[in-house]
Amino acid sequence: GAGVSQSPRYKVAKRGQDVALRCDPISGHVSLFWYQQALGQGPEFLTYFQNEAQLDKSGLPSDRFFAERPEGSVSTLKIQRTQQEDSAVYLCASSARVDLNYGYTFGSGTRLTVV
Amino acid sequence: DQQVKQNSPSLSVQEGRISILNCDYTNSMFDYFLWYKKYPAEGPTFLISISSIKDKNEDGRFTVFLNKSAKHLSLHIVPSQPGDSAVYFCAASARSNYQLIWGAGTKLIIKP
Repeated sequence: GAGVSQSPRYKVAKRGQDVALRCDPISGHVSLFWYQQALGQGPEFLTYFQNEAQLDKSGLPSDRFFAERPEGSVSTLKIQRTQQEDSAVYLCASSARVDLNYGYTFGSGTRLTVV
Repeated sequence: DQQVKQNSPSLSVQEGRISILNCDYTNSMFDYFLWYKKYPAEGPTFLISISSIKDKNEDGRFTVFLNKSAKHLSLHIVPSQPGDSAVYFCAASARSNYQLIWGAGTKLIIKP
């Protein structure tokens, strides 16, 4: 596709429910990132994939968070037993390169609200 | 401890004038800096970047200045246009690493 696509755009989950957030990166993009953006804050790094390999998951806040990209294209961020503090916008970004010279292309995000 | 700070939550500028957005950082290992622009309900869009080997980078109406000794960078938009109204984020990385550290953003409002 022309851009990074994320679904759903909005998700309301009851506390304790599991959720799955999907990211379709730009076709052929090697690098894929997940960021979490709390209200009024800048995005915070969660995890990074290069093709299907998860090279860095140091930003995942707890073991309830899990991300995968099994075929090196679509990625899913899963959050188990959601808590209120998980409420945020989850941003996915992709890049054709592994450096930053041209920035990343971000999707519009999934706004997760845990009630 | 915030490593990247944007101390102005908002800024209002008259159309046609210069907009100056500021960003401070604390980590001396940062060597690559980027500015992103974000409209409501959209993801951030890459605007301009600068490497620490430079002190200025220009792209059309947008210029980024880097003062390494002060650990400060700024984004200048000249002339400001209504479509520039958005939230601007400053982000930094160490050794051009893929991982970005972001400021909290500055909301720029361009008045007609």
